[in-house]
Amino acid sequence: DAKTTQPPSMDCAEGRAANLPCNHSTISGNEYVYWYRQIHSQGPQYIIHGLKNNETNEMASLIITEDRKSSTLILPHATLRDTAVYYCIAAASGTYKYIFGTGTRLKVLA
Amino acid sequence: SQTIHQWPATLVQPVGSPLSLECTVEGTSNPNLYWYRQAAGRGLQLLFYSVGIGQISSEVPQNLSASRPQDRQFILSSKKLLLSDSGFYLCAWSPQGYGSYEQYFGPGTRLTVT
Repeated sequence: DAKTTQPPSMDCAEGRAANLPCNHSTISGNEYVYWYRQIHSQGPQYIIHGLKNNETNEMASLIITEDRKSSTLILPHATLRDTAVYYCIAAASGTYKYIFGTGTRLKVLA
Repeated sequence: SQTIHQWPATLVQPVGSPLSLECTVEGTSNPNLYWYRQAAGRGLQLLFYSVGIGQISSEVPQNLSASRPQDRQFILSSKKLLLSDSGFYLCAWSPQGYGSYEQYFGPGTRLTVT
């Protein structure tokens, strides 16, 4: 599975959009991009995933560049409850192995 | 809806003692099941995964073992704990089949080996 690179930390003002970047320059054609978040002392929570096209659900939007070498997770209106560590994972269809890095620690400021 | 349970929530065990952590999933059949460990300040490390009863794959050689005695039950064990076994243990499940499937995590067990 491709390795992903994320900034270690970011701050975002409450009510503003939080844009979390992820680089996956070695991603292969059958690898999806998944995003999870982990609130302190809890298990990770699935947010969204995509292959080529941009995706949106009730939690977030995922923007994948045309060359698929990077992506951005967008939380449109961040709240204090969005403070968490966000993980970007590249994993092939059917794989059982997720490789979790250290993620981005997002702090939403009041 | 599907739910995943883990117990105990916290555990303090002396070095050399045995370990048994249990995970159960409700509301789905024949799930893939996973055990992860998270050391303090680190990312998650996959320890074991299972695609069916009695089928266990180990990702990291260590003194831990896993078993799946029933379809929706996954157990993590050790005969003798080491200090390095301390961490946050997470169980997860995903739907069976080939495709892009998200994993759903339990609340975790925080293990401290003293």
